[in-house]
Amino acid sequence: QKEVEQDPGPLSVPEGAIVSLNCTYSNSAFQYFMWYRQYSRKGPELLMYTYSSGNKEDGRFTAQVDKSSKYISLFIRDSQPSDSATYLCAMRTGGFKTIFGAGTRLFVKA
Amino acid sequence: GAVVSQHPSWVICKSGTSVKIECRSLDFQATTMFWYRQFPKQSLMLMATSNEGSKATYEQGVEKDKFLINHASLTLSTLTVTSAHPEDSSFYICSARDRKGSNTGELFFGEGSRLTVL
Repeated sequence: QKEVEQDPGPLSVPEGAIVSLNCTYSNSAFQYFMWYRQYSRKGPELLMYTYSSGNKEDGRFTAQVDKSSKYISLFIRDSQPSDSATYLCAMRTGGFKTIFGAGTRLFVKA
Repeated sequence: GAVVSQHPSWVICKSGTSVKIECRSLDFQATTMFWYRQFPKQSLMLMATSNEGSKATYEQGVEKDKFLINHASLTLSTLTVTSAHPEDSSFYICSARDRKGSNTGELFFGEGSRLTVL
């Protein structure tokens, strides 16, 4: 079993839809949870960062962490074609080693 | 956010030659940098952790003599793929953490280097 599970998709939605991306994990010691966005042939860029459980909102993006269920989510409201990318969940314990999910490919159709 | 520059962004080489990829933190100092490898449509695979002034820490299964890592300063880490073969063709990405950063977990990534070995 992988430490972090993420459905690779692809996920295709119409413009304006609400997108839900999810990851599950097995290591209860994870404390820091991140979402990265990666465009084709580019390095990942940090979208959201959450410490421990709870919700965090930034513009059209909302990150949720449920440590009791070992489940994290990223919601994108009013999705745009420019949101089309691969979204990677990532997490780590108190140390520096970050574990990444497989990434979900998202396509937002105009 | 902080800027990490990676060079070259794209390189083609002949089998048996060596290729060096540079990773620079442009506006911050990085005591630790990370090197990843990414295959098409797959996630990032951590290859090694590069520590300034000391030896790199390699992940299990990564050949130290194949992938030489040097972190000579607080702003520069290099990855040298020695005696490259076609199976080494991949997308290599570096990342770094700001040494002044608290435990935010925030990694800043370079743009990646696409290596093609003929």
